[in-house]
Amino acid sequence: EAGVAQSPRYKIIEKRQSVAFWCNPISGHATLYWYQQILGQGPKLLIQFQNNGVVDDSQLPKDRFSAERLKGVDSTLKIQPAKLEDSAVYLCASSRPGQGGEKLFFGSGTQLSVL
Amino acid sequence: RKEVEQDPGPFNVPEGATVAFNCTYSNSASQSFFWYRQDCRKEPKLLMSVYSSGNEDGRFTAQLNRASQYISLLIRDSKLSDSATYLCVVNSGSGTYKYIFGTGTRLKVLA
Repeated sequence: EAGVAQSPRYKIIEKRQSVAFWCNPISGHATLYWYQQILGQGPKLLIQFQNNGVVDDSQLPKDRFSAERLKGVDSTLKIQPAKLEDSAVYLCASSRPGQGGEKLFFGSGTQLSVL
Repeated sequence: RKEVEQDPGPFNVPEGATVAFNCTYSNSASQSFFWYRQDCRKEPKLLMSVYSSGNEDGRFTAQLNRASQYISLLIRDSKLSDSATYLCVVNSGSGTYKYIFGTGTRLKVLA
């Protein structure tokens, strides 16, 4: 079974530039999550999709971050414009639909450095 | 107050030692609980789910105390390969199955 695919693996940009990350979840996984993990902290949920609908985006800084999951499969997360504090690892995860006790499968993440 | 709180450590223990981590959560409606392991520069991976009656997987034992709203992880006979960050994860159980991660507890097992 193929895992969660993410790209790029690393990205270095200057502040005020734009950046986009891509995620392809495990086939058949209806729920997709984007997490932000700052060094030394646990992952923080940015947005959660169920199929192509947004379930939770309460912690997404909507003035600069956007995400979409067209056709309920792969997803993109965009930052425009980036700030220094956006430097972090952006993790995509997916899970099967169910009652909330499912295992989360994570991709390898995209490490973003904003200079 | 954070939704999920953990002592960040680090916990430095000798090989063979027993070590325990605790995690507290604020939402009394939380329904499911997990421990994830994260190696340096890697993604988190599920270590074990935590069941109400407590559960064991080899050298690892997880316990849940709903009344006090905390979960624990006990590692017996620590190995060098156990060195990692252990993340406590709580499912909010409010219908959206939102997984909230703690900061993580860093463990270093010393030879």
